[in-house]
Amino acid sequence: DIQMTQSPSSLSASVGDRVTITCRASQSISSYLNWYQQKPGKAPKLLIYAASSLQSGVPSRFSGSGSGTDFTLTISSLQPEDFATYYCQQSYRIPRAFGQGTKLEIK
Amino acid sequence: EVQLVESGGGLVQPGGSLRLSCAAFGFSFSTYAMSWVRQAPGKGLEWVSSISGSGDSTYYADSVKGRFTISRDNSKNTLYLQVNSLSAEDTAVYYCAKHGVADGTVFFDYWGQGTLVTVSS
Repeated sequence: DIQMTQSPSSLSASVGDRVTITCRASQSISSYLNWYQQKPGKAPKLLIYAASSLQSGVPSRFSGSGSGTDFTLTISSLQPEDFATYYCQQSYRIPRAFGQGTKLEIK
Repeated sequence: EVQLVESGGGLVQPGGSLRLSCAAFGFSFSTYAMSWVRQAPGKGLEWVSSISGSGDSTYYADSVKGRFTISRDNSKNTLYLQVNSLSAEDTAVYYCAKHGVADGTVFFDYWGQGTLVTVSS
């Protein structure tokens, strides 16, 4: 099975900061990588699919990059509503594993 | 508007069973594969099972294989997850999710609100 590892596990940042979250796959997954945002008590929300494609309705401050085994999610200028937990997910092969999550907190 | 509404969760004793349901609205249900994803309290997301649009193909995580069964009734626009032989490790919020497909990849573009399964004596 493909393992997904995110770093960091938690991150403190301020409104207006540029933030980058990293996701690494245990083997190459080409660009079959998705990113989700989850707020407490809510269902996850799709942000990015195919490593870099922005889901409809998601603000352009979110961007994704990478291919193979290393991927990044970048938020260009943090807004108050962006404080949440972020998960990557590989869709290259079943089981469609998620990373362990990165909790983004207010500094 | 796409909407997914789960039901069927609750408190069950170890070894017990439940059937979770996910009613789908606002899209051509039979066209899309669907999945179940769970989240234990305070933990991350775990993919559980997927089913093709026709229902002919099903897939399971090793942690639930042989105990859980995914199915769908396209005439009722409803997805199911039969969960048997439950243990405390199965305690979680169970989400259903619709598959999207674009750029040759699969993703979960719509999620339900989740239904909580608690396994305890």
